[in-house]
Amino acid sequence: GENVEQHPSTLSVQEGDSAVIKCTYSDSASNYFPWYKQELGKGPQLIIDIRSNVGEKKDQRIAVTLNKTAKHFSLHITETQPEDSAVYFCAARKEWGNNRLAFGKGNQVVVIP
Amino acid sequence: EAQVTQNPRYLITVTGKKLTVTCSQNMNHEYMSWYRQDPGLGLRQIYYSMNVEVTDKGDVPEGYKVSRKEKRNFPLILESPSPNQTSLYFCASTRRGSSYNSPLHFGNGTRLTVT
Repeated sequence: GENVEQHPSTLSVQEGDSAVIKCTYSDSASNYFPWYKQELGKGPQLIIDIRSNVGEKKDQRIAVTLNKTAKHFSLHITETQPEDSAVYFCAARKEWGNNRLAFGKGNQVVVIP
Repeated sequence: EAQVTQNPRYLITVTGKKLTVTCSQNMNHEYMSWYRQDPGLGLRQIYYSMNVEVTDKGDVPEGYKVSRKEKRNFPLILESPSPNQTSLYFCASTRRGSSYNSPLHFGNGTRLTVT
């Protein structure tokens, strides 16, 4: 099955700086890559996703890049704000399979005011 | 409001005492799933259901049961809880067979402690 690894496990950044989280996946057939944000006391929530037919997608201060050859994808957060502090999960799966997502172990991002 | 509702939010129980965590969604989603979240291990899937009366094991199904008698409900049953099932549990749902325009919607979690 798919194996997703996420690095680093914890990331601290100064407010206003950029944060980058990288994930690698093992199954070259995977073609859907979402990112979820989990705030304290809440369930994960989708913040951005990308399909394998594109290399980059942006939504305001967040962006995701995908390198299919190297089998890795990254989340970029620019101009970080305190409300960006959360746990971020990457995931991967085959799009038209059984909806099963393979999640990374999560990354704690701390934005220091 | 579209949501996944889990109950209870917090539960403390003793080893061996059967319990059920309920999950309900109001989005008419075919697919529902249970995950457990443990420090350093991320989200691991316990069971999932592609539709009513269709359930299947995830990555860590031992010690758990589920049922899907109605589309909106997907309860998680621990017949004989043990301390290693102490965890944070999440229910999630989405439209079956769709990914790009239908994200996985999570509930707010149930923190279970088994003593």
